[in-house]
Amino acid sequence: SQQGEEDPQALSIQEGENATMNCSYKTSINNLQWYRQNSGRGLVHLILIRSNEREKHSGRLRVTLDTSKKSSSLLITASRAADTASYFCATDGSYNTDKLIFGTGTRLQVFP
Amino acid sequence: NAGVTQTPKFRVLKTGQSMTLLCAQDMNHEYMYWYRQDPGMGLRLIHYSVGEGTTAKGEVPDGYNVSRLKKQNFLLGLESAAPSQTSVYFCASSYGGQGNNEQFFGPGTRLTVL
Repeated sequence: SQQGEEDPQALSIQEGENATMNCSYKTSINNLQWYRQNSGRGLVHLILIRSNEREKHSGRLRVTLDTSKKSSSLLITASRAADTASYFCATDGSYNTDKLIFGTGTRLQVFP
Repeated sequence: NAGVTQTPKFRVLKTGQSMTLLCAQDMNHEYMYWYRQDPGMGLRLIHYSVGEGTTAKGEVPDGYNVSRLKKQNFLLGLESAAPSQTSVYFCASSYGGQGNNEQFFGPGTRLTVL
């Protein structure tokens, strides 16, 4: 079964707006990662946040993690048309960290 | 560096046929993974390897076999293809296996089983 569930499933915004995607997971984790997938392409790693971190920034990306609620959010500020893609969260398990479990993804469409 | 490459990019099989998907990485990574991606399902782990000569089952291993004879290659085999195996297959690799290592993905193989 999926560990992570993203919300919303799809999001449409205008260029310049902020986009927020949420990820909820079921079991305790050590790390949570966010990936991006352009249509028809492989996934690309965006950012990693550890379980003892609450917030992390990378350029226009801001990730938060709330382990008490088992949830994370990805904020993309000042969106661009080139940000149009699917975004996935991925978590490890506190017991078996040899693999990541991916969520179902959020499809983001940014209109020029 | 090419990163992670996958061969072939597209394939159409008939039910019952067999095939092998090849994944190669030139980053000297220890860990390699095979995923399948279906609409609305995200990525699901089929098999993975923690080093040359090792393999382990993932979330959906049935109907697939893998081999890791060389560190840089990870092969995914379908012995008797079924329509339910129609999917996009992604290979990935990482330096380490723990969740604090990012995974590098190949471009994918789109497989259709008729």
